[in-house]
Amino acid sequence: GNSVTQMEGPVTLSEEAFLTINCTYTATGYPSLFWYVQYPGEGLQLLLKATKADDKGSNKGFEATYRKETTSFHLEKGSVQVSDSAVYFCALYNQGGKLIFGQGTELSVKP
Amino acid sequence: DVKVTQSSRYLVKRTGEKVFLECVQDMDHENMFWYRQDPGLGLRLIYFSYDVKMKEKGDIPEGYSVSREKKERFSLILESASTNQTSMYLCASRKQGSTNEKLFFGSGTQLSVL
Repeated sequence: GNSVTQMEGPVTLSEEAFLTINCTYTATGYPSLFWYVQYPGEGLQLLLKATKADDKGSNKGFEATYRKETTSFHLEKGSVQVSDSAVYFCALYNQGGKLIFGQGTELSVKP
Repeated sequence: DVKVTQSSRYLVKRTGEKVFLECVQDMDHENMFWYRQDPGLGLRLIYFSYDVKMKEKGDIPEGYSVSREKKERFSLILESASTNQTSMYLCASRKQGSTNEKLFFGSGTQLSVL
């Protein structure tokens, strides 16, 4: 079946550090891939997406590249800020019309 | 601004009680979803609805039911609450025909069952 696996958190970084949050997936066919972000006390918001192999999604300094050969969609940011502290969810869209989420990775950025 | 509103931010109920979680969206969206969010498990789909009076089971429907009498409102019902239903519940909606990135989420209801 379809599934998404993320690296476990929490991840704690200092401001301006480089961020990587790993995400791998299992799916039949060619799913679309997403990163959602949940800031404290809020619902989820779409951060970025990629719909086919080798696509790169980007937004707010975050990037992720759809790697079919390694079934991965790792999230990266070159220089994190305190305001990036949140929970990040990797997700895939399967043809059944459902969005399947990973377990979430909590990021804490210290000044 | 688009809005998905969940009626309660925090809710405390007792085992065996009937619980209603309400969700209202003001975007005229056809599709609505209920997820629960648990640490280490991410978001899991409980039920979804493609349109008024329509409903489909998600991945973990046991112990839950839903109601969609009006387009803007999607209710999640716990017929007899149990402690393992203590969780954060998230409602979401989207326009019919849009791909899933157009999913809009509410802020969540943290339910504690004692």
